[in-house]
Amino acid sequence: NAGVMQNPRHLVRRRGQEARLRCSPMKGHSHVYWYRQLPEEGLKFMVYLQKENIIDESGMPKERFSAEFPKEGPSILRIQQVVRGDSAAYFCASSPGAALNTEAFFGQGTRLTVV
Amino acid sequence: AQSVAQPEDQVNVAEGNPLTVKCTYSVSGNPYLFWYVQYPNRGLQFLLKYITGDNLVKGSYGFEAEFNKSQTSFHLKKPSALVSDSALYFCAVRKNTGTASKLTFGTGTRLQVTL
Repeated sequence: NAGVMQNPRHLVRRRGQEARLRCSPMKGHSHVYWYRQLPEEGLKFMVYLQKENIIDESGMPKERFSAEFPKEGPSILRIQQVVRGDSAAYFCASSPGAALNTEAFFGQGTRLTVV
Repeated sequence: AQSVAQPEDQVNVAEGNPLTVKCTYSVSGNPYLFWYVQYPNRGLQFLLKYITGDNLVKGSYGFEAEFNKSQTSFHLKKPSALVSDSALYFCAVRKNTGTASKLTFGTGTRLQVTL
Protein backbone atom coordinates (compact mmCIF):
# COMPACT_ATOMS: atom_id res chain seq x y z
CA ASN A 1 0.00 0.00 0.00
CA ALA A 2 1.82 3.05 -1.24
CA GLY A 3 1.79 6.13 0.91
CA VAL A 4 0.58 9.56 -0.07
CA MET A 5 2.24 10.46 -3.36
CA GLN A 6 2.96 14.01 -4.33
CA ASN A 7 4.46 15.24 -7.56
CA PRO A 8 6.51 16.89 -8.58
CA ARG A 9 8.89 16.92 -5.61
CA HIS A 10 10.45 20.14 -6.81
CA LEU A 11 8.88 22.77 -9.05
CA VAL A 12 10.42 25.95 -10.35
CA ARG A 13 8.21 28.59 -11.89
CA ARG A 14 8.81 32.11 -13.12
CA ARG A 15 6.70 34.91 -11.73
CA GLY A 16 3.33 34.99 -13.49
CA GLN A 17 3.29 31.33 -14.46
CA GLU A 18 0.92 28.70 -13.15
CA ALA A 19 1.88 25.95 -10.71
CA ARG A 20 0.02 22.65 -10.51
CA LEU A 21 0.70 20.37 -7.56
CA ARG A 22 -0.65 16.84 -7.52
CA CYS A 23 -1.52 14.56 -4.65
CA SER A 24 -2.61 10.94 -4.77
CA PRO A 25 -3.95 9.86 -1.38
CA MET A 26 -3.33 6.51 0.20
CA LYS A 27 -5.51 3.72 -1.12
CA GLY A 28 -8.89 3.79 0.54
CA HIS A 29 -8.54 7.39 1.72
CA SER A 30 -11.19 9.81 0.52
CA HIS A 31 -10.17 12.86 2.59
CA VAL A 32 -7.37 15.12 1.45
CA TYR A 33 -5.79 18.11 3.18
CA TRP A 34 -3.33 20.65 1.81
CA TYR A 35 -0.87 22.51 4.01
CA ARG A 36 1.79 25.12 3.26
CA GLN A 37 5.08 25.39 5.09
CA LEU A 38 7.21 28.47 4.71
CA PRO A 39 10.94 28.20 5.51
CA GLU A 40 11.53 27.79 9.23
CA GLU A 41 7.82 27.96 9.96
CA GLY A 42 5.08 25.55 10.91
CA LEU A 43 2.35 24.11 8.76
CA LYS A 44 -0.55 26.29 7.79
CA PHE A 45 -3.80 24.64 6.82
CA MET A 46 -5.04 25.59 3.39
CA VAL A 47 -7.93 23.39 2.28
CA TYR A 48 -9.73 20.17 3.10
CA LEU A 49 -11.43 18.18 0.36
CA GLN A 50 -13.44 15.05 0.05
CA LYS A 51 -14.10 13.44 -3.30
CA GLU A 52 -15.62 16.13 -5.54
CA ASN A 53 -16.30 18.42 -2.58
CA ILE A 54 -14.47 21.22 -0.83
CA ILE A 55 -15.21 20.80 2.86
CA ASP A 56 -13.15 23.65 4.33
CA GLU A 57 -11.16 26.23 2.39
CA SER A 58 -10.71 28.70 5.22
CA GLY A 59 -6.93 28.70 4.80
CA MET A 60 -6.85 29.35 1.08
CA PRO A 61 -5.83 32.79 -0.15
CA LYS A 62 -8.81 34.50 -1.76
CA GLU A 63 -7.16 34.92 -5.13
CA ARG A 64 -5.01 32.81 -7.44
CA PHE A 65 -5.31 29.60 -5.40
CA SER A 66 -7.74 26.78 -6.09
CA ALA A 67 -8.02 23.10 -5.27
CA GLU A 68 -9.98 20.16 -6.51
CA PHE A 69 -10.31 16.47 -5.81
CA PRO A 70 -12.16 14.90 -8.73
CA LYS A 71 -13.97 11.61 -8.68
CA GLU A 72 -11.14 10.06 -10.64
CA GLY A 73 -7.51 11.04 -10.34
CA PRO A 74 -5.38 12.97 -7.90
CA SER A 75 -6.15 16.09 -5.95
CA ILE A 76 -4.75 19.23 -7.59
CA LEU A 77 -3.64 22.44 -5.92
CA ARG A 78 -3.38 25.16 -8.53
CA ILE A 79 -1.66 28.48 -8.09
CA GLN A 80 -2.15 30.98 -10.87
CA GLN A 81 0.19 33.88 -11.62
CA VAL A 82 2.70 32.82 -9.02
CA VAL A 83 4.66 35.41 -7.04
CA ARG A 84 7.87 35.04 -5.06
CA GLY A 85 5.91 34.86 -1.82
CA ASP A 86 4.33 31.61 -3.01
CA SER A 87 7.71 29.87 -2.66
CA ALA A 88 7.18 27.24 0.01
CA ALA A 89 6.79 23.54 0.63
CA TYR A 90 3.27 22.31 0.00
CA PHE A 91 2.22 19.15 1.78
CA CYS A 92 -0.73 16.95 1.13
CA ALA A 93 -2.18 14.60 3.71
CA SER A 94 -4.92 12.01 3.51
CA SER A 95 -7.08 10.12 5.94
CA PRO A 96 -9.72 7.42 5.58
CA GLY A 97 -12.32 9.54 7.32
CA ALA A 98 -12.92 12.72 9.22
CA ALA A 99 -13.36 11.23 12.66
CA LEU A 100 -11.67 13.14 15.45
CA ASN A 101 -9.52 10.16 16.40
CA THR A 102 -8.10 9.67 12.91
CA GLU A 103 -4.55 10.60 12.10
CA ALA A 104 -3.58 11.90 8.69
CA PHE A 105 -0.72 10.59 6.59
CA PHE A 106 1.52 13.03 4.78
CA GLY A 107 3.26 13.01 1.45
CA GLN A 108 6.86 14.11 0.92
CA GLY A 109 5.78 17.52 -0.24
CA THR A 110 6.30 19.67 -3.30
CA ARG A 111 8.86 22.41 -2.95
CA LEU A 112 7.84 25.33 -5.10
CA THR A 113 10.41 27.94 -6.00
CA VAL A 114 9.31 31.07 -7.82
CA VAL A 115 12.11 32.90 -9.61
CA ALA B 1 -10.73 28.49 19.49
CA GLN B 2 -9.23 25.04 19.65
CA SER B 3 -5.46 25.06 19.30
CA VAL B 4 -2.11 23.77 20.50
CA ALA B 5 0.94 25.71 21.58
CA GLN B 6 4.58 24.68 21.56
CA PRO B 7 6.39 27.14 23.80
CA GLU B 8 9.93 26.17 22.81
CA ASP B 9 11.38 26.89 19.38
CA GLN B 10 14.32 24.60 20.06
CA VAL B 11 15.31 21.95 22.57
CA ASN B 12 18.91 20.83 22.99
CA VAL B 13 19.80 17.58 24.70
CA ALA B 14 22.82 15.33 24.89
CA GLU B 15 22.59 11.82 23.50
CA GLY B 16 21.57 9.35 26.16
CA ASN B 17 19.73 11.92 28.23
CA PRO B 18 15.96 12.04 28.53
CA LEU B 19 14.14 14.53 26.33
CA THR B 20 10.88 16.41 26.65
CA VAL B 21 9.17 18.48 23.96
CA LYS B 22 6.33 20.53 25.36
CA CYS B 23 2.81 21.02 24.05
CA THR B 24 -0.22 22.61 25.66
CA TYR B 25 -3.71 22.57 24.26
CA SER B 26 -6.84 24.61 24.37
CA VAL B 27 -9.81 22.50 23.36
CA SER B 28 -13.48 22.53 24.20
CA GLY B 29 -14.70 19.03 24.90
CA ASN B 30 -12.51 15.95 24.68
CA PRO B 31 -9.12 16.61 23.11
CA TYR B 32 -7.76 14.49 20.27
CA LEU B 33 -4.03 15.15 20.24
CA PHE B 34 -1.24 14.02 17.94
CA TRP B 35 2.53 14.24 17.58
CA TYR B 36 4.33 14.26 14.24
CA VAL B 37 8.02 14.42 13.35
CA GLN B 38 9.57 16.02 10.28
CA TYR B 39 13.07 15.15 9.15
CA PRO B 40 14.91 17.56 6.81
CA ASN B 41 13.33 17.82 3.35
CA ARG B 42 10.74 15.21 4.21
CA GLY B 43 7.05 15.08 4.97
CA LEU B 44 5.56 14.63 8.41
CA GLN B 45 5.53 11.22 10.02
CA PHE B 46 2.92 10.24 12.57
CA LEU B 47 4.38 9.36 15.98
CA LEU B 48 1.46 8.85 18.33
CA LYS B 49 -1.97 10.06 19.37
CA TYR B 50 -4.12 10.46 22.44
CA ILE B 51 -7.79 9.68 22.10
CA THR B 52 -8.91 8.36 25.44
CA GLY B 53 -7.80 5.93 28.11
CA ASP B 54 -4.30 5.75 29.57
CA ASN B 55 -2.62 9.10 30.03
CA LEU B 56 0.72 7.69 28.88
CA VAL B 57 0.67 6.98 25.16
CA LYS B 58 3.44 4.98 23.50
CA GLY B 59 4.39 5.59 19.91
CA SER B 60 7.01 5.00 17.26
CA TYR B 61 10.82 5.07 17.71
CA GLY B 62 10.60 4.81 21.50
CA PHE B 63 8.66 8.03 21.95
CA GLU B 64 5.82 8.44 24.38
CA ALA B 65 3.59 11.31 25.42
CA GLU B 66 1.88 12.11 28.66
CA PHE B 67 -1.60 13.57 28.62
CA ASN B 68 -2.29 15.79 31.64
CA LYS B 69 -5.82 17.11 31.78
CA SER B 70 -5.31 19.41 34.78
CA GLN B 71 -2.36 21.12 33.10
CA THR B 72 -3.84 20.85 29.60
CA SER B 73 -0.56 19.45 28.35
CA PHE B 74 0.56 16.67 26.04
CA HIS B 75 4.35 16.61 26.31
CA LEU B 76 6.42 14.32 24.11
CA LYS B 77 9.09 12.31 25.90
CA LYS B 78 11.82 9.79 25.33
CA PRO B 79 13.92 8.19 28.09
CA SER B 80 17.19 8.24 26.13
CA ALA B 81 17.74 10.56 23.17
CA LEU B 82 19.61 9.58 20.01
CA VAL B 83 21.41 11.87 17.59
CA SER B 84 19.08 10.51 14.90
CA ASP B 85 16.11 11.96 16.82
CA SER B 86 17.21 15.43 15.74
CA ALA B 87 14.29 16.78 13.75
CA LEU B 88 11.32 19.13 13.84
CA TYR B 89 8.44 18.00 16.06
CA PHE B 90 4.85 19.13 15.71
CA CYS B 91 1.98 18.79 18.13
CA ALA B 92 -1.49 18.81 16.58
CA VAL B 93 -5.16 18.73 17.53
CA ARG B 94 -8.13 17.59 15.53
CA LYS B 95 -10.55 20.46 15.29
CA ASN B 96 -14.17 20.29 14.36
CA THR B 97 -15.12 22.42 11.41
CA GLY B 98 -18.82 21.86 11.74
CA THR B 99 -19.36 19.04 9.31
CA ALA B 100 -15.95 17.47 9.62
CA SER B 101 -12.59 17.94 11.29
CA LYS B 102 -9.05 18.89 10.38
CA LEU B 103 -5.63 18.72 11.99
CA THR B 104 -4.28 22.01 13.31
CA PHE B 105 -0.59 22.15 14.13
CA GLY B 106 1.56 23.97 16.62
CA THR B 107 4.48 26.04 15.41
CA GLY B 108 6.94 23.20 15.84
CA THR B 109 9.95 22.56 18.09
CA ARG B 110 13.35 21.78 16.70
CA LEU B 111 15.09 19.03 18.66
CA GLN B 112 18.86 18.97 18.52
CA VAL B 113 20.58 15.95 20.03
CA THR B 114 24.36 16.16 20.34
CA LEU B 115 27.05 13.67 21.22
